[in-house]
Amino acid sequence: DGGITQSPKYLFRKEGQNVTLSCEQNLNHDAMYWYRQDPGQGLRLIYYSQIVNDFQKGDIAEGYSVSREKKESFPLTVTSAQKNPTAFYLCASSMVIDRGSYEQYFGPGTRLTVT
Amino acid sequence: KQEVTQIPAALSVPEGENLVLNCSFTDSAIYNLQWFRQDPGKGLTSLLLIQSSQREQTSGRLNASLDKSSGRSTLYIAASQPGDSATYLCAVRREGSTLGRLYFGRGTQLTVWP
Repeated sequence: DGGITQSPKYLFRKEGQNVTLSCEQNLNHDAMYWYRQDPGQGLRLIYYSQIVNDFQKGDIAEGYSVSREKKESFPLTVTSAQKNPTAFYLCASSMVIDRGSYEQYFGPGTRLTVT
Repeated sequence: KQEVTQIPAALSVPEGENLVLNCSFTDSAIYNLQWFRQDPGKGLTSLLLIQSSQREQTSGRLNASLDKSSGRSTLYIAASQPGDSATYLCAVRREGSTLGRLYFGRGTQLTVWP
């Protein structure tokens, strides 16, 4: 089965702890993305990556870090510097259909609760 | 900066109705527009992708149109069913934006009751 997996589905952490969210895809997509979703708000882009060992900050990168050591994997670390980490986190990947045309596919999400 | 707005924010209809969800965007220089469905607590499922050169796309009971020059798209759902209940999001990819990043609206929460 091809797709994007995120683990775990639910994650609970104490304030001040770093936590890493997993994202794996077997779609052979080059580009991968992390979004954050809060109630009543649209998706906000945290980080994105086109190729291995390269990634770019999105609109709300502060307090987050990522790595892209393998094409299939794009883990997101929520650090203690993130002021409001409780949210629903979504990972996505995309393929290039033609110049400028990417269709994004999403994983099932991880709900992070920090207390 | 690209702003995407979806109207209405919520919609409740009886089963069988045809309905229209609206999406508008401020910068008409886009590569494509994508409609997604999201069930509560789940990820997003891609429904339709319209290239900037296209006027519409159809998939089953869904039809999405795009008027790039006026910055508008509509998602038409024919003969709605309770299983269509979900949040529908639209997103655009702006020309010149790198790596396929999308700009999302806040979604329309649809409830179809039997």
